[in-house]
Parts: sequence; C-alpha cells; structure tokens
Amino acid sequence: SQKIEQNSEALNIQEGKTATLTCNYTNYSPAYLQWYRQDPGRGPVFLLLIRENEKEKRKERLKVTFDTTLKQSLFHITASQPADSATYLCALPNYGGSQGNLIFGKGTKLSVKP
Amino acid sequence: GAVVSQHPSWVICKSGTSVKIECRSLDFQATTMFWYRQFPKQSLMLMATSNEGSKATYEQGVEKDKFLINHASLTLSTLTVTSAHPEDSSFYICSATKRGLAGGREQYFGPGTRLTVT
Repeated sequence: SQKIEQNSEALNIQEGKTATLTCNYTNYSPAYLQWYRQDPGRGPVFLLLIRENEKEKRKERLKVTFDTTLKQSLFHITASQPADSATYLCALPNYGGSQGNLIFGKGTKLSVKP
Repeated sequence: GAVVSQHPSWVICKSGTSVKIECRSLDFQATTMFWYRQFPKQSLMLMATSNEGSKATYEQGVEKDKFLINHASLTLSTLTVTSAHPEDSSFYICSATKRGLAGGREQYFGPGTRLTVT
C-alpha cells in the first residue's frame, strides 16, 4: 500500500538559516505532491504543488524539489523566521481512493528560534 | 481566494447525544468536500469524501451510520456525529476542492472543530 514518511518529527533551527524538510514515499508513482502548513488548532493551509515532470518549484522563500527516482521531495524555507514555526505536511494523491483525495504524512514540526 | 469555514469551532457534548458540524465554501463552489479527523500529534485521517447530491464515500473502518454526511449544495456539507462517545473526541476538519479546477487537487481546509464528548 502507499506510504508516506516524513522522517523528522521535529526540526529546530536558528532564525536566518535554511530549513530543509524531507518527505519520502513508497509503493507508487504519484503524478504530483503537495505541501501544507498547519498551525496548532488550525486546519492545514496549502503551500505548493509540484508535478512529477517538475524538478523544482519556488514560491517566495519556499522551494520544493521532487525526485521521482529517489521517491523523495525536499521542502526548503530560506532565511527562516520565527513566524515560519509550524507543522509542515506533505501529501500525495490516494489512487486507491475516491476522486482527488490525499494521503498525508505525519508532519514535521519546525521551530525557528530567534 | 478560497475560504472554507466551519461551525462550530469547538463543542462539548454529553455522551449519547448527537453533534452537527457545518462546512461551507464561502467564495467558491466545491466539487468535492472531504472530512478528516486528527488526534493529537497524529496526521489527518480521511473519514469520507462527499459530492453534492450523492452519497458520501466512507473510508475503511469509518462507520457511516455513526458519522452522517449530508452534502446539500455546492457550498455546504455537514457531518453529524451520532450517539457520541468520549472516544469520538477529536479535531474534525473539512476541506474542499474547487469546481472546474483542472490538474492539481489542492484542498482548501476549514479551521477545524474541536469536539469533546464528556
């Protein structure tokens, strides 16, 4: 069955540094991958979608890579700020399920210290 | 934008009672709405997928008679937790995808509803 792993449960970095979060998947080849941000007690917020034929995508200080050979996506936040502290979820389409539904990783909780 | 609201944001109910949670897409028509449940420090677990005017599709292990979903219009879906028990206490979140959006399937999430059953 399809599996998603976000290897780090938590990541602590200093303000100004680049945060790098990892998402690995097994047992299928998704057409796209998504990243979301979730703050405590809130619903996730969509950040970026990257398709299988895209190696890299950027949005302001965010950069996502998608390596279909390694079955891995990396999510980078450059010049990180304390306001970037949140849990970041990666999500992949659930091909075994109903239309458009996603499987989410457990998330990586990022803490950016001033 | 793509704003999804949920009501109520939190609710406390007694064991055995039923609770209804509303999910609305405020500025777009939703092709599909999804209901998730999230326990502390766990990921989102999909409960069911709902399309306007048709029966919801439930994930394995989710009791359709306990978690009633009604998708009355392209902007409103409701989840009713019937005969709630303390183990149903959780954070319930809905999401929606936009009608007519081709390609990617990003989901727009509501703020969530914290349910506590005493």
